[in-house]
Amino acid sequence: DQQVKQNSPSLSVQEGRISILNCDYTNSMFDYFLWYKKYPAEGPTFLISISSIKDKNEDGRFTVFLNKSAKHLSLHIVPSQPGDSAVYFCAAKQDSNYQLIWGAGTKLIIKP
Amino acid sequence: DVKVTQSSRYLVKRTGEKVFLECVQDMDHENMFWYRQDPGLGLRLIYFSYDVKMKEKGDIPEGYSVSREKKERFSLILESASTNQTSMYLCASSYPGTYQETQYFGPGTRLLVL
Repeated sequence: DQQVKQNSPSLSVQEGRISILNCDYTNSMFDYFLWYKKYPAEGPTFLISISSIKDKNEDGRFTVFLNKSAKHLSLHIVPSQPGDSAVYFCAAKQDSNYQLIWGAGTKLIIKP
Repeated sequence: DVKVTQSSRYLVKRTGEKVFLECVQDMDHENMFWYRQDPGLGLRLIYFSYDVKMKEKGDIPEGYSVSREKKERFSLILESASTNQTSMYLCASSYPGTYQETQYFGPGTRLLVL
């Protein structure tokens, strides 16, 4: 049973437009949600996170929105740049647990 | 900057061979992790270590063992490699007690078992 789901395996966006990546979860006990970015032949790198007590967190071009009632979060990238082409993983964790629960990832392709 | 290094980027092994994957981190992190990444499945945790000589099973420990004799080094061992262990293996480390305990990853080892 996947607790964290990324239902879009891939997404293609024009350069300069907004990219929206979505993530759904089933466990209401999660305390933190994180987004990681992964380039081919590299390990994932931390991008941005949000605590369950917030509904928005912003860092430059990246904003994460959390809708707890819908158990849904999204990552917005504005404006999208060619270097944003990568696989994006959503992950979640409980405060009492070391383990990160990962989604399957969404491959973002930014078209010039 | 945190640096996590893995001993090999690519490995080709034969079925039944014993395989060692090594991971070293230079930030004095207590926690270290081994994951495997397969298409459509995301990252799945194999084993976790929260201190020297301490280990806990993750979601898919079968067919794997680990060793942590020194704080900076965490080894993953495939006792008898099988073709279904062909995958990308990722090591990570983190410092416990920090906000969300961000994990830092190595570049990965792509293992092919023939």
